[in-house]
Amino acid sequence: DAKTTQPTSMDCAEGRAANLPCNHSTISGNEYVYWYRQIHSQGPQYIIHGLKNNETNEMASLIITEDRKSSTLILPHATLRDTAVYYCIVRVIVGGRDDKIIFGKGTRLHILP
Amino acid sequence: DAGVIQSPRHEVTEMGQEVTLRCKPISGHNSLFWYRQTMMRGLELLIYFNNNVPIDDSGMPEDRFSAKMPNASFSTLKIQPSEPRDSAVYFCASSLKGGPEAFFGQGTRLTVV
Repeated sequence: DAKTTQPTSMDCAEGRAANLPCNHSTISGNEYVYWYRQIHSQGPQYIIHGLKNNETNEMASLIITEDRKSSTLILPHATLRDTAVYYCIVRVIVGGRDDKIIFGKGTRLHILP
Repeated sequence: DAGVIQSPRHEVTEMGQEVTLRCKPISGHNSLFWYRQTMMRGLELLIYFNNNVPIDDSGMPEDRFSAKMPNASFSTLKIQPSEPRDSAVYFCASSLKGGPEAFFGQGTRLTVV
C-alpha cells in the first residue's frame, strides 16, 4: 500500500510556481521521498528524491519538513508540458533488499494557459 | 542507449488466448519491475527482479500470470489464459540496484475481447 497522501488534483497558471504537497506521516528513518510524474500515455518519469535535506535539480525542488512527515515538490516556472500526474513515493534506502517502488493515486496537475 | 524497450506496443487478443509481453531493460541495469495500470486501480506493481531473481511477486494477481527473467537483458510477462479484466497498460521499468532512478518503457496496451 502507498504510504503517502496527496491531493487528487491541482491547477496552476502557466509561468507560476507549482507547489505539490505530500503527507507521509509514517515515514521511517531509512526511507527516502521520491517524486515521479506521468504524462498522458507515457511511462512514469523520475523527477527528484531526498532523505531529509532540501534538494534541487534541473527539473524541480524538493522541500522536506524537519520532522520528515511531509514534503513539497516545487516546479518553479510551470509550463503546459508540466501537465501530468505527480506521484509522491516513500521508498526504503535504495540498495536494500526490498527497494520496490509503490505508486499511490498521485496528484493530477493542470497547467492553465 | 534506447531506453527500456517493450514489445508489442499494442496487443488485441481473444479471451482464453495466451499473451506474452516482452521487455528489454537498459544495459547494465540489474533491477527490473513489471507494472499494470488501469483507470480503476492505478499503477500496480506486479513483480520485481534483482539480478534476474524474482524478489517480490506478491502483486501478481493470480496463477494465470507468470514472469521470467532468463538473463539480464530480457524479461517476459505471460498471461494464460487471458481474460477481459486483464485489459490494461503494462509497463516495464529497470534501474541500477543502488541507483535512485527507475526508467520506464512506453508500455504495452493490452486489450482482451
